[in-house]
Amino acid sequence: AQSVTQLDSQVPVFEEAPVELRCNYSSSVSVYLFWYVQYPNQGLQLLLKYLSGSTLVKGINGFEAEFNKSQTSFHLRKPSVHISDTAEYFCAVSGNKLVFGAGTILRVKS
Amino acid sequence: GAVVSQHPSWVICKSGTSVKIECRSLDFQATTMFWYRQFPKQSLMLMATSNEGSKATYEQGVEKDKFLINHASLTLSTLTVTSAHPEDSSFYICSAQRTSGRLDTQYFGPGTRLTVL
Repeated sequence: AQSVTQLDSQVPVFEEAPVELRCNYSSSVSVYLFWYVQYPNQGLQLLLKYLSGSTLVKGINGFEAEFNKSQTSFHLRKPSVHISDTAEYFCAVSGNKLVFGAGTILRVKS
Repeated sequence: GAVVSQHPSWVICKSGTSVKIECRSLDFQATTMFWYRQFPKQSLMLMATSNEGSKATYEQGVEKDKFLINHASLTLSTLTVTSAHPEDSSFYICSAQRTSGRLDTQYFGPGTRLTVL
């Protein structure tokens, strides 16, 4: 079975500052890893995914994530956030089905 | 891209009535679709896996007679909440699975907000 832990329920950050949203996973089999973003009252939008190969994955809106197998982590980063990045972010792991973390609310302040 | 739509985007109904939610993959065929439920300030919980032409597979604790799923075509799955009650009020999100090579990726619809009075 797979599980996902998002270590921070909320992350406040000032505009143009860097941000890291943490995600750890556990799985007994090889997995694919995903980050999704959800804006208020909307569905989920795929930010990026790790399948194999390079451990640094670049996604949309300037986000990137690094897969670290030894630490079973897949943290999401952005070097400079914008007000419009305020949203909830979900890390997910895919084995036989997609399992989501509890989500991290990113609040960007001006 | 891969676009998934849901209809309606929001619905308000009286207790005891039934509500049907549609999920469509607009630019690809999806033999598998998924239905999730999201409570306020919580993550998505998988309710069931919808397979075209066969019965849906429900997760443990989800009443299949209450949440009827039909996947009659490769682009349409429907979720019917029967005899809805206030505790069924929630945000329902579907996804459609697109296969590219050996990879299956889920693309999500915009969600349906159900409020049962």
